[in-house]
Order: sequence, then structure tokens, then C-alpha cells
Amino acid sequence: DIVMTQSPLSLPVTLGQPASISCWSSRSLVHTDGDTYLSWFHQRPGQSPRRLIYKVSNRDSGVPDRFSASGSGTYFTLKISRVEAEDVGVYYCMQNVDLYTFGQGTKLEI
Amino acid sequence: EVQVLESGGGLVQPGGSLRLSCAASGFTFSNYAMGWVRQFPGKGLEWVSSMSGIRSGEATYYADSVKGRFTISRDNSRNTVYLQMDGLRAEDTAIYYCAKGSDMDIWGQGTTVTVSS
Repeated sequence: DIVMTQSPLSLPVTLGQPASISCWSSRSLVHTDGDTYLSWFHQRPGQSPRRLIYKVSNRDSGVPDRFSASGSGTYFTLKISRVEAEDVGVYYCMQNVDLYTFGQGTKLEI
Repeated sequence: EVQVLESGGGLVQPGGSLRLSCAASGFTFSNYAMGWVRQFPGKGLEWVSSMSGIRSGEATYYADSVKGRFTISRDNSRNTVYLQMDGLRAEDTAIYYCAKGSDMDIWGQGTTVTVSS
């Protein structure tokens, strides 16, 4: 099974400042089709998760451009250029190259 | 609008059964894989089960923690995916989310399952 590890697990931030979350996988997330199956999700308190990013760096519709993501192979990052109040909550990375595994989650708080 | 809506959660005794439903709308349901993900109280996310779409033979997949106890199925005529949960344990207590597609782009609001005597 692929293990996903996130860091940090808690991320205190200041409004308007940047934030960054890292995610490692225990093996490469590159599929035989050439795509890399790593997604990022955001879960606000009391809400269901919402996908932000798919295939490493593709933003979902409606996701603000202050969110960006990158990475390859086994190391990935999610960045917020300027944190806003609505960004609080827990961020998860997820691999779906071999079934599914989520990271432990990173709690972003202002 | 693309959406999925779960139902069927509740309180059940250990060893009991529940069937969760997930009704989908706004997309060609039969073409998409559908999955279930659960969230333990105050904890992170755990994938439970998925079923591929009709073009991929409606193959089923399960997490080791539920294999042999849970069964995923779908009714493409009703745009609904089900999760039959048998032999429930206290550690199955969680919010169960339904998600669209192999890449889980759309999630429902979840349905709560509590296993307790």
C-alpha cells in the first residue's frame, strides 16, 4: 500500500502571508499512462471535503489562483500565495495511482 | 449542477447491517466510477470502496479494513450507488461520504453511521 505523509500537521498563518504544505508518497505516483495521480482537498470545519487540485497541478473550476501546486514522483507541494480567512480548515493530499490513500491532513489556522 | 447525495446512515448495534445510498445527478452516471470515503470522529479521511463505470466493467475495490463485510453496488437506471455494510463494528463509526469519479472531484455532504450498543 502507498503511504502518504504530510508536513506540517498544523500550520498557523497570518492573513495575507503565504503558506505551504508538503506531501510525500512512499512510492512514485506516476501511472503507466504517464499521468501523476496526486490531488489536494480542502475541508472547512463542518463541511465535506472539496477538491482543489488534480494531477499534481491542475486547479479545479472556481479555485482561486492564489492556490498553486507542484511536484513530481514522490514529493508534492501546495502553496497559498496570500492566505485569506476562508482558507482555514484541513488540507489533504490523496494518491489514486493505486487505489486511494490520503495524507494525515494539515490543519491551517489563522 | 453535478451533485451526489448520501442517505441511509443511522445508529446500529455491533454486528448489525446498514445500507447507504448515494443518488447522483447532473452527469452521465453510468460512465463514472463512484467511491465511498469515511471520516472517523475528529480524524482524517479513509477510502472505503470504489466501483468503476460501465465501460470498465463495473469492477469493485475495497479497503482491507472492510473487505468481506462491505459490498458496493450500483443501479445505473436509478443513478445510485450503494454501500451494504454487514458485520458492523464500533470502529466503523464515521461519516461516510460518496464521491464522483475515479479522481473524486465531487463529494456529497456525508451520512453518519454510529455503531454502538
